[in-house]
Amino acid sequence: AQSVSQHNHHVILSEAASLELGCNYSYGGTVNLFWYVQYPGQHLQLLLKYFSGDPLVKGIKGFEAEFIKSKFSFNLRKPSVQWSDTAEYFCAVGSNSGYALNFGKGTSLLVTP
Amino acid sequence: EAQVTQNPRYLITVTGKKLTVTCSQNMNHEYMSWYRQDPGLGLRQIYYSMNVEVTDKGDVPEGYKVSRKEKRNFPLILESPSPNQTSLYFCASRGTTNTGELFFGEGSRLTVL
Repeated sequence: AQSVSQHNHHVILSEAASLELGCNYSYGGTVNLFWYVQYPGQHLQLLLKYFSGDPLVKGIKGFEAEFIKSKFSFNLRKPSVQWSDTAEYFCAVGSNSGYALNFGKGTSLLVTP
Repeated sequence: EAQVTQNPRYLITVTGKKLTVTCSQNMNHEYMSWYRQDPGLGLRQIYYSMNVEVTDKGDVPEGYKVSRKEKRNFPLILESPSPNQTSLYFCASRGTTNTGELFFGEGSRLTVL
């Protein structure tokens, strides 16, 4: 069965620190990978996605993620976080054979001034 | 503007009193889905629909019903709500390209007393 693991449940960083959130998935076929962000009190919004091509994808607000097929990973990075990045981040995986997305349990990021 | 609209956004009800949370999308998407979000558990899929009159169970369907009589609408029905259904509910839709983004509604916070 498909599964998505996010290693860090809670992360606290100071402004300007670098961020890396881990995401690993378990699935045997071709996958499409997504990172979503949920700002406090809001709905989920797409940060970035990967489905083919360059494994390093860039998203909105300076975020990027790297797909490493051999490690079944799709880690999210940002070189310098801001207070406004405080949010919950969800990794999601979809297959080429269906339309459902499996979500990880989320990582809560708190950025302190 | 592309939108997924849920109503009500907030609801407090009592055990056993039937309720319906409506969901409507204006993007002509075939795929629609309901999730519940609970602390520490992330997003869990309740039901999904691939198209009109086609619905299927997700990971946590017990206590819920759905219908898909029209393409744009996908209501979630709680026939006899119980306190363990207190949660934040999200409706989402997606076109039938498996690289496409899943669009989320604003969420409906339900409390069952």
